[in-house]
Amino acid sequence: GAVVSQHPSWVICKSGTSVKIECRSLDFQATTMFWYRQFPKQSLMLMATSNEGSKATYEQGVEKDKFLINHASLTLSTLTVTSAHPEDSSFYICSARGAGTDFYEQYFGPGTRLTVT
Amino acid sequence: GQNIDQPTEMTATEGAIVQINCTYQTSGFNGLFWYQQHAGEAPTFLSYNVLDGLEEKGRFSSFLSRSKGYSYLLLKELQMKDSASYLCAVLDSNYQLIWGAGTKLIIKP
Repeated sequence: GAVVSQHPSWVICKSGTSVKIECRSLDFQATTMFWYRQFPKQSLMLMATSNEGSKATYEQGVEKDKFLINHASLTLSTLTVTSAHPEDSSFYICSARGAGTDFYEQYFGPGTRLTVT
Repeated sequence: GQNIDQPTEMTATEGAIVQINCTYQTSGFNGLFWYQQHAGEAPTFLSYNVLDGLEEKGRFSSFLSRSKGYSYLLLKELQMKDSASYLCAVLDSNYQLIWGAGTKLIIKP
């Protein structure tokens, strides 16, 4: 149980375009979802936390107008990278926590590798 | 501020034992996690400690001392597939995960 999926697993886009990444909890209701970014050889960096039905809370230094997060349902959260630039190229990982799981544990999706050319 | 320290890189031999240490200073404590992350993949859960002591799970064990702000992950009978990064993370008073930078473990034959 407690499976989280992400789509797409990898994406290449041109500079200036927008990319949407989906994160789904497949067998539990995700009351809280987390979005992370990870650059090569670095640890996870939390970008934002979202609770279902409310606005996301962004970490310091993360532009909320550039990284749009929507957590409209208990099983789906989306991250849209708007006007992507090469420096946005990274590994984006979502995780979820919620009803039916151990309350303290985050379950990770497989990640999405974004390359902006 | 909140801080989690772990070695950047460690090397060990196949079949041997390795201990990866983690020290932390956080605002509140609701448990400590160890995750394994292979290159290009998402982290996978290894262990969770909230009380002092040793938790054993197969070849992997995790130890916690809350008074010392210290944990370690012990890997026995190392296999080549154990080559990965090992991430220490603490759940703070707001139930947010505070992550260490990770320890890259290199296993040599």
